[in-house]
Amino acid sequence: GENVEQHPSTLSVQEGDSAVIKCTYSDSASNYFPWYKQELGKGPQLIIDIRSNVGEKKDQRIAVTLNKTAKHFSLHITETQPEDSAVYFCAARRGTSYGKLTFGQGTILTVHP
Amino acid sequence: GAVVSQHPSWVICKSGTSVKIECRSLDFQATTMFWYRQFPKQSLMLMATSNEGSKATYEQGVEKDKFLINHASLTLSTLTVTSAHPEDSSFYICSARDRAETQYFGPGTRLLVL
Repeated sequence: GENVEQHPSTLSVQEGDSAVIKCTYSDSASNYFPWYKQELGKGPQLIIDIRSNVGEKKDQRIAVTLNKTAKHFSLHITETQPEDSAVYFCAARRGTSYGKLTFGQGTILTVHP
Repeated sequence: GAVVSQHPSWVICKSGTSVKIECRSLDFQATTMFWYRQFPKQSLMLMATSNEGSKATYEQGVEKDKFLINHASLTLSTLTVTSAHPEDSSFYICSARDRAETQYFGPGTRLLVL
């Protein structure tokens, strides 16, 4: 089955800096890669996703890049703010109707004012 | 983005009782819904996949008689924890997938079994 590795497990940055979280996956048939932000006591919130027919996607301060050959994808957050502090999860899934998301282990991002 | 709601947001019950958690997709139809369990400081653990009008598919190690799932309509799925015990205390999160196969999560339900 699919295996997703996420690094780093914790990331501490100063406000205004950039943050990068990386994930690798094992199943070459995976073609959908979402990122979720989870704040304490809440459910995961989809912040951006990418499908395998594109290499990069941006939404304001957030971007995701995908390298299918190397089987890794990354989340980039620019101009970080304290409210970006949360746990971030990457995931991967095959494109079948009954495909399940396989999650990474999560990254605790702390943005210091 | 699409909204998924869960009710209740938290519940405390006595050991041996059953608890039902509702999950609704508010502004889209979800042919597939998922139920996850999350322990503190851990990733999400998939419990079961639920397709509208059919029986749920449970992950290995998840007792289907313990965690009853019903997906009666394209906008509603329920999880019933039967004869709950303290070890069932956890954060339960539902998720719904829309027709574009994008998956959205609910806010979660915190269950405490005394």
